[in-house]
Amino acid sequence: AQKITQTQPGMFVQEKEAVTLDCTYDTSDPSYGLFWYKQPSSGEMIFLIYQGSYDQQNATEGRYSLNFQKARKSANLVISASQLGDSAMYFCAMREGNQGGKLIFGQGTELSVKP
Amino acid sequence: DGGITQSPKYLFRKEGQNVTLSCEQNLNHDAMYWYRQDPGQGLRLIYYSQIVNDFQKGDIAEGYSVSREKKESFPLTVTSAQKNPTAFYLCASSIGVTFTDTIYFGEGSWLTVV
Repeated sequence: AQKITQTQPGMFVQEKEAVTLDCTYDTSDPSYGLFWYKQPSSGEMIFLIYQGSYDQQNATEGRYSLNFQKARKSANLVISASQLGDSAMYFCAMREGNQGGKLIFGQGTELSVKP
Repeated sequence: DGGITQSPKYLFRKEGQNVTLSCEQNLNHDAMYWYRQDPGQGLRLIYYSQIVNDFQKGDIAEGYSVSREKKESFPLTVTSAQKNPTAFYLCASSIGVTFTDTIYFGEGSWLTVV
């Protein structure tokens, strides 16, 4: 079964608008971390934001915020005030407490920002 | 500059050859990883190492080998046994292996079989 599901293969957003990228996860481990990464066309994988399963508040990092709904097992990434440089692939990933460090990735969402 | 350095950026391999991808980090991280990415896909774990002289197979270890003789270095050898090695390879590291430890990535290496 898929542990991380990103249902949006591609998304478009107008420059300066906000966009939400969806991510749902599946785990029975009470201890887990959720990560979002950005991969531009050059290939490098850039860490954006982290949310821990025990964190009470939603994580925020600059224009990035994570809408964490634990009961629904969702961890959506919200990008505010989109910029042209935000055009990239975005990956949601999870690390479970009992898996010795493995980071499991979703299939990714390709975001295109329109001027 | 602190970070993870992968080399070479582009590598071509002939059928039947072994090739080695280099990965060096100066972040003083204990854990290191190798991931493979195929076009339009997410990443899949090949091998990981929690400490020096120790490593574990990931989900797609067949046809690959690694060593971890130094904390800073985690080279990946793609052997001739790997049937479809053409892919993008990403090395990564983290300070530890708990679920709160962020994994950071290098810039990747493109391997093409010719």
